Amino acid sequence: DIQMTQSPSSLSASIGDRVTITCRASQGISNYLAWYQQKPGKVPKLLIYGASTLQLGVPSRFGGSGSGTDFTLTISSLQPEDVATYYCQKYNSGPFTFGPGTKVDIK
Amino acid sequence: EVQLLESGGDLVQPGGSLRLSCAASGFSFRSYSMAWVRQAPGKGLEWISSIDGGGDKTEHADSVRGRLTISRDNSKNTLYLQMNSLRIEDTGVYFCAKPSSYMITSGRGFDYWGQGTLVTVSS
Repeated sequence: DIQMTQSPSSLSASIGDRVTITCRASQGISNYLAWYQQKPGKVPKLLIYGASTLQLGVPSRFGGSGSGTDFTLTISSLQPEDVATYYCQKYNSGPFTFGPGTKVDIK
Repeated sequence: EVQLLESGGDLVQPGGSLRLSCAASGFSFRSYSMAWVRQAPGKGLEWISSIDGGGDKTEHADSVRGRLTISRDNSKNTLYLQMNSLRIEDTGVYFCAKPSSYMITSGRGFDYWGQGTLVTVSS
């Protein structure tokens, strides 16, 4: 099975900072990758699918890139409401594995 | 409006059984694959099972195969997870999730999630 890893596992950044989270698949998955945001005590929210397509209603400060095995989620200007854990997920075929998550908070 | 409402979570002893339900509304339930995703306390998301729209094809994570079984009743717009031989490590919140496209592999992620139901396995 394909394994998903994320780095870093956590980060602290200042308001307005550019934040980058990396997701890596152990084998190529083309662009079959989604990113989710989960705020404390809340349900996961789909941010990006197809590695780079923003889900309707998601702020434009969120962006995704990558293909194959290496992917990136970028927050161009970190806002207080972005405090959350971010997960990547592969969906080219089962198992539809999630990455371990990256916790983002404010410095 | 799409709604997913899980139920059935409870406190159960190791080795016990439970059946979770997810009542769906607001979309053509029978047209969509569906999935169960769980989250252990303080841990990340874990996909555990998926089923196609007709209920003919199922997939399960290695960690639950043979103990947890996904099914659906399209006449009732309801997704199920039968949980047998429960272990302490099965403790967590169980979410049902709807893919954005009819099939999970069609490429748009899970766009709707239920609020989750808590399963606690403890003696």
